[in-house]
Amino acid sequence: ELKVEQNPLFLSMQEGKNYTIYCNYSTTSDRLYWYRQDPGKSLESLFVLLSNGAVKQEGRLMASLDTKARLSTLHITAAVHDLSATYFCAVASFSGTYKYIFGTGTRLKVLA
Amino acid sequence: DTGVSQNPRHKITKRGQNVTFRCDPISEHNRLYWYRQTLGQGPEFLTYFQNEAQLEKSRLLSDRFSAERPKGSFSTLEIQRTEQGDSAMYLCASSSRNLGDANYGYTFGSGTRLTVV
Repeated sequence: ELKVEQNPLFLSMQEGKNYTIYCNYSTTSDRLYWYRQDPGKSLESLFVLLSNGAVKQEGRLMASLDTKARLSTLHITAAVHDLSATYFCAVASFSGTYKYIFGTGTRLKVLA
Repeated sequence: DTGVSQNPRHKITKRGQNVTFRCDPISEHNRLYWYRQTLGQGPEFLTYFQNEAQLEKSRLLSDRFSAERPKGSFSTLEIQRTEQGDSAMYLCASSSRNLGDANYGYTFGSGTRLTVV
């Protein structure tokens, strides 16, 4: 059974600092997704990573995927307050029907 | 088409009552998913439809839960005899291909927040 773990679960950081969120998963998969969720809101797609070594960047966020290590990272550069949200990774499961298995989420708070 | 629509946005119900939620996917999407998200947790897969066929149900979906997608369009999720443990956000997502669009994955609705008192 595919399990997805994120760390840290909570992250409080100062504006302007850099940090990385980690997403580990337990079984083979070559597709990984990052979503953002604001309080009380739904999930907003950030990145889709479709192969080993994939790297995508949008603004201050950069995501990468290492399928051999079963690890994805979401790197935050020079954080700003607007990035405060909960970030989820989701891994594609090919057991049964194709679907996403989500991590527990990382709650990020950027302090001014 | 403005995306995946879910109704109601919020529902408060007394324990033991039945509730039904509706999801209207993006019109050209033939795949529809229901997820449940409890406070502080990631979304958990509940069930999946391809057109009108329900192709997978999670073990989380007890006998009190039933989902339908008549004619492969909108979907409903019914919970009978609600319990306090059913309190959660119920999210619907749709896509036109396996594992969603290559650029953004599934499209999620805004969710229905259920509170059982």
